[in-house]
Amino acid sequence: EIVLTQSPTTMAASPGEKVTITCRASSSVSYMHWYQQKPGASPKPWIYDTSKLASGVPNRFSGSGSGTSYSLTISSMETEDTATYYCQQWSSNSPITFGSGTKLEIK
Amino acid sequence: EVQLQQSGPELRRPGSSVKLSCKASGYSITDYLMHWVKHRPEHGLEWIGWIDPEDGETKYAQKFQSKATLTADTSSNTAYMQLSSLTSEDTATYFCARFVDWYFDFWGPGTMVTVSS
Repeated sequence: EIVLTQSPTTMAASPGEKVTITCRASSSVSYMHWYQQKPGASPKPWIYDTSKLASGVPNRFSGSGSGTSYSLTISSMETEDTATYYCQQWSSNSPITFGSGTKLEIK
Repeated sequence: EVQLQQSGPELRRPGSSVKLSCKASGYSITDYLMHWVKHRPEHGLEWIGWIDPEDGETKYAQKFQSKATLTADTSSNTAYMQLSSLTSEDTATYFCARFVDWYFDFWGPGTMVTVSS
């Protein structure tokens, strides 16, 4: 099973600040996908295939990475970005796994 | 418009079982795998397994192999998950989610299951 390690676990950012969340895989994966989840709601697809923004996602978000290291970046933090973000992978030689999540708060 | 409608909250006694439903609209469930995911705030998201409603093939995460049973009824465009031998560890919100090109593009609203005596 491929283990995904997200960092940081929690963080707070000021409005306008740049935010980077990382996701490291225990083995190389071809793509990484990201979800945004707010309390009491289902996860929403946010970034798929490593760098493609899901429908409706603001372009201040971006995704990048390859192999075992991936990241989600917010160029300029906004209040509405407060949420928990999860990375997810699927590989033919591993069950689907999620990262443990990064809780992002506004300062 | 694609929608996944899940059944309402459940309260169960330890040792009992529960069957959750996930009714799809806006597409045929036979066209995509349906997955189920467990969420506990302190544990994050856990993948349970998937079903191919077209032929009934299933695959489970190892820790859910004896806990969850996935089925589907193509006539009602509905997927089901039964959880057996419930314990407090099964108290969680359970999501169904459509899987396309290696990620989940649509999620149901979730069903909260509480296991308590």
